[in-house]
Amino acid sequence: DAKTTQPTSMDCAEGRAANLPCNHSTISGNEYVYWYRQIHSQGPQYIIHGLKNNETNEMASLIITEDRKSSTLILPHATLRDTAVYYCIVRVAVGGAQKLVFGQGTRLTINP
Amino acid sequence: GAVVSQHPSWVICKSGTSVKIECRSLDFQATTMFWYRQFPKQSLMLMATSNEGSKATYEQGVEKDKFLINHASLTLSTLTVTSAHPEDSSFYICSAPTRGGTEAFFGQGTRLTVV
Repeated sequence: DAKTTQPTSMDCAEGRAANLPCNHSTISGNEYVYWYRQIHSQGPQYIIHGLKNNETNEMASLIITEDRKSSTLILPHATLRDTAVYYCIVRVAVGGAQKLVFGQGTRLTINP
Repeated sequence: GAVVSQHPSWVICKSGTSVKIECRSLDFQATTMFWYRQFPKQSLMLMATSNEGSKATYEQGVEKDKFLINHASLTLSTLTVTSAHPEDSSFYICSAPTRGGTEAFFGQGTRLTVV
């Protein structure tokens, strides 16, 4: 079972920041938070991950609360191509390999 | 970056036949690969963990005799849907984690339609 809960859908205006929340209240101390997105009929694309510090890369920023029970993915300047389903995943380790269990995700629609 | 390639991208087959889907890690070795299935408007469901040189590990409720997995090399895993039926029509996706890395890369998926 997925260990995260996300809103089913969200809308955001093009050019604005898109903030996608995720709750993971049962996360363990050594588990990371991962974000992937899936554009229609494609495989998921890695966005970002973090343990407890905030992270930023060329795609997005990840803000993790101090108690690590929730996080927010931020797309700073959303474009129409960011329309996708965004998955927040807590990594379950399997002998060092990553077994990713997907929840239902958030369907983000960027409007012109 | 690391790339995972699936083949074919789509396939249509007749009911009762078998279909093989290939998953390759193109520029890295993967001792473990994961196979997912996704029905329309639903999330990805993990089917099995493919282990190089050993038997695959199947998730609860997934028939191992129907979904045959072979991981014969460090860069190739195959999923064979045996005696396919229309209810097996779905989007099948593989994933491979980089060794010691923190990322898992996904193939582009294979859309299977059984008629």
